[in-house]
Amino acid sequence: GAVVSQHPSRVICKSGTSVKIECRSLDFQATTMFWYRQFPKQSLMLMATSNEGSKATYEQGVEKDKFLINHASLTLSTLTVTSAHPEDSSFYICSARHSQNTEAFFGQGTRLTVV
Amino acid sequence: AQSVTQLDSQVPVFEEAPVELRCNYSSSVSVYLFWYVQYPNQGLQLLLKYLSGSTLVKGINGFEAEFNKSQTSFHLRKPSVHISDTAEYFCAVSERQGAQKLVFGQGTRLTINP
Repeated sequence: GAVVSQHPSRVICKSGTSVKIECRSLDFQATTMFWYRQFPKQSLMLMATSNEGSKATYEQGVEKDKFLINHASLTLSTLTVTSAHPEDSSFYICSARHSQNTEAFFGQGTRLTVV
Repeated sequence: AQSVTQLDSQVPVFEEAPVELRCNYSSSVSVYLFWYVQYPNQGLQLLLKYLSGSTLVKGINGFEAEFNKSQTSFHLRKPSVHISDTAEYFCAVSERQGAQKLVFGQGTRLTINP
């Protein structure tokens, strides 16, 4: 199957700083990328959908100014958590899909801890 | 809008026993159906998917699922589980058109006991 690489796998940052998470499709062109957030022992909640070259579409309740998503190329999307606070600590997962494929492939996830 | 309900949050099973993880969905439009597995601190891996055709779908690691349109269910089964099957399992649906966003169920924690 296709490979999606997410980096970093773990990050600890101080409250008030910003953190960038990268999601790369290594062997296919990702026309659409999705960003999810997962709290401990809970399901994945979709945060936003991004299409290459377009602004991301955020789900209701997700602050677009806090969670900045960029999808500038067909192989890279980034999620920047701005002015992070302890309540932003969570597991963030990206997935990527090509327009002609019904299956989305997932990155390994990023464990963010804000102290 | 779609919703997914996984009826069991935890399922403990003895090794080599059969298992069924239940999933029901709700949608006003036609959907694709998926089962994913998640190991600790990792992303999701696709086990199997139903797009169309035969309602019995076979996936990786010996898993299979049956789509039942009348009962709006997509239960996951394995005839004989191994210790390595211990993980979190998620059922998901997506619309057939548009962005095809995945909507996930709450997850079922499958624990295999020796």
